[in-house]
Amino acid sequence: SQKIEQNSEALNIQEGKTATLTCNYTNYSPAYLQWYRQDPGRGPVFLLLIRENEKEKRKERLKVTFDTTLKQSLFHITASQPADSATYLCALTDSWGKLQFGAGTQVVVTP
Amino acid sequence: DTAVSQTPKYLVTQMGNDKSIKCEQNLGHDTMYWYKQDSKKFLKIMFSYNNKELIINETVPNRFSPKSPDKAHLNLHINSLELGDSAVYFCASSHILADTQYFGPGTRLTVL
Repeated sequence: SQKIEQNSEALNIQEGKTATLTCNYTNYSPAYLQWYRQDPGRGPVFLLLIRENEKEKRKERLKVTFDTTLKQSLFHITASQPADSATYLCALTDSWGKLQFGAGTQVVVTP
Repeated sequence: DTAVSQTPKYLVTQMGNDKSIKCEQNLGHDTMYWYKQDSKKFLKIMFSYNNKELIINETVPNRFSPKSPDKAHLNLHINSLELGDSAVYFCASSHILADTQYFGPGTRLTVL
């Protein structure tokens, strides 16, 4: 069965450091992968989309990599700030064209 | 201007009641969705409509009935509410199916 796995444990990181989140998937052949941010009490907000033929994508302090051989995407937040504290979700399109979300990883950035 | 709006934001009701949640998007998108996020924060798709037509219908009890009067609106009606229906329901829209999703603020449903 198709599965998306993200670290369920919260990632606690000191301000200024780089946070790295992992998204592993099985039984998907995605054309692209998306990352979203969700703050408590709010809907997810789109951050980045990376296509299967792209190794890396950047947006300001965010960087995403996509390795279709390893079936893994890494999401990096460089020079992290307390305002980056949130839950980060990865999402993939399944065989039926539906977007499936991982359970998310909570990031806590402390000053 | 809010891109995707939902009403109400909070809904507290008794078991057995019928309730509706409304959603509107002003992004001009063709596709709209309903997602359910349970207490474990897992976000799961329920329905998807494209140009007012149902295209995705996950394994959801038939007590849940979506209705799309036009492509900017997708409402969710729930009959005979059960305790297990308590969750946060998110409406979303996208330009095409499975494209970048724009989510509403969510409706927290509590069934007592």
